[in-house]
Amino acid sequence: QVQLQESGPGLVKPSETLSLTCTVSGDSISGHFWSWIRQPPGEGLEWLGYIYYGGTTNYNPSLKSRVTILLDTSMNEFSLRLTSVTAADTAVYYCARSDNSWYVGGNWGQGILVTVSS
Amino acid sequence: DIQMTQSPSTLSASVGDRVTLTCRASQSISDWLAWYQQKPGKAPKLLIYKASTLESGVPSRFSGSGSGTEFTLTIRSLQPDDFATYYCQHYTFGQGTKLEIK
Repeated sequence: QVQLQESGPGLVKPSETLSLTCTVSGDSISGHFWSWIRQPPGEGLEWLGYIYYGGTTNYNPSLKSRVTILLDTSMNEFSLRLTSVTAADTAVYYCARSDNSWYVGGNWGQGILVTVSS
Repeated sequence: DIQMTQSPSTLSASVGDRVTLTCRASQSISDWLAWYQQKPGKAPKLLIYKASTLESGVPSRFSGSGSGTEFTLTIRSLQPDDFATYYCQHYTFGQGTKLEIK
């Protein structure tokens, strides 16, 4: 049974870069689509983007200039970098696995709350 | 960019009711649509993918239909555990429908 676990700092200062890692256990990171999703407090879900095990990425156009998703096959993990953060980037960040590009699938991490504040 | 729009934003219903939630895409997406259920403080749970395929372990009272630009999620005979927020997704997510107890 695949398990995903988000990790990273829970507090980031405005204008800095948010960096999170999703560690995958119970499955190889090869052969799937790996996504990041976020949810601001009290709001809906926002798809940030995905990386395919071959390295292909696709990002939400509204965030494309600030988002980077990377894969580390040696560590069986993938990561999210979001630059120039503001308070509007405060959210629970989730990672997920799917077998297709158009949806994030049924395997999610538990989520990690990241607050942007000085 | 394809926009996903859900209606209604909030739906009040009673245990035992049959309810239908709607999701519309701004352009045709064939049947590439998924539905999720989310409860407070929890990660979303996949219910349906490819518009009408039930995820393993999801009760059969949930069903999905549609293709092109209009899709529905139907819950037959609502159970207490079904009161939650539901999202559709084709890359981006709809804004959600909160299903609450009448």
